[in-house]
Amino acid sequence: GQSLEQPSEVTAVEGAIVQINCTYQTSGFYGLSWYQQHDGGAPTFLSYNALDGLEETGRFSSFLSRSDSYGYLLLQELQMKDSASYFCAVAGYSTLTFGKGTMLLVSP
Amino acid sequence: NAGVTQTPKFQVLKTGQSMTLQCAQDMNHEYMSWYRQDPGMGLRLIHYSVGAGITDQGEVPNGYNVSRSTTEDFPLRLLSAAPSQTSVYFCASSTLGTSTDTQYFGPGTRLTVL
Repeated sequence: GQSLEQPSEVTAVEGAIVQINCTYQTSGFYGLSWYQQHDGGAPTFLSYNALDGLEETGRFSSFLSRSDSYGYLLLQELQMKDSASYFCAVAGYSTLTFGKGTMLLVSP
Repeated sequence: NAGVTQTPKFQVLKTGQSMTLQCAQDMNHEYMSWYRQDPGMGLRLIHYSVGAGITDQGEVPNGYNVSRSTTEDFPLRLLSAAPSQTSVYFCASSTLGTSTDTQYFGPGTRLTVL
C-alpha cells in the first residue's frame, strides 16, 4: 500500500518563501507529483519528479530524494493567490495516491 | 477543447437511489480515473481505466461501478446510494495509460445523500 504524510496547514506572508514537505511509504514508486487546489475548485498539476533532485518551474520548485522517501514543494515570492491546498501524490504505474493536503494561508 | 467535463455539478439523492455521474474528455486521453474527496481525507481513487474496454479498482471501489466503452466517456455508477457516499467526485484524464502523466481534472460533482 501507499501512505503519505504532509503538514495539514502552513502560514506565510506575501513575498516570503515556504516549503511544504512530503514523506511517503510505498510499494511501487514511479515518481512524486504536486497538485494545487483552490477552495471549491479542481486540482491542477504543478510538478512531477521521477528522479532525485530539484525541478524548477517559475516561482515553484519541487525536490525529490528517493533514498529518503521524501520530497518538498518550494514556493517563492508568495502571492495572495497562492493561498490554496497543496497535495503531494505518489505515482505507481497505474494509480496515483494523494496525501491529505496542506492548506497554505498567505497573509498580507 | 472543453477538456474534462462532468455532469451534474450538484446532486441530492435519497438513500437507496441509484445514479450515474458523467465524465467526458475531448483530448483523446487514454487514462481516466474517478476520485472522491472528503474533508481532511485528500483525494481517494475509486476506479480507473487505462483505455477503452479496460477498467480496474482503486482504493475505495465498493458501492461504485464503471465502464469504458469509448475513449471519451467514463461514467461512474452509484448502485444504491448511502450517506457515506456524500462527497465531491472528481474525474481526471491523462495522455498516457499511466498515472505518471499530468492529470487533468474536471470541475467536480458535489453529491449529497440523505
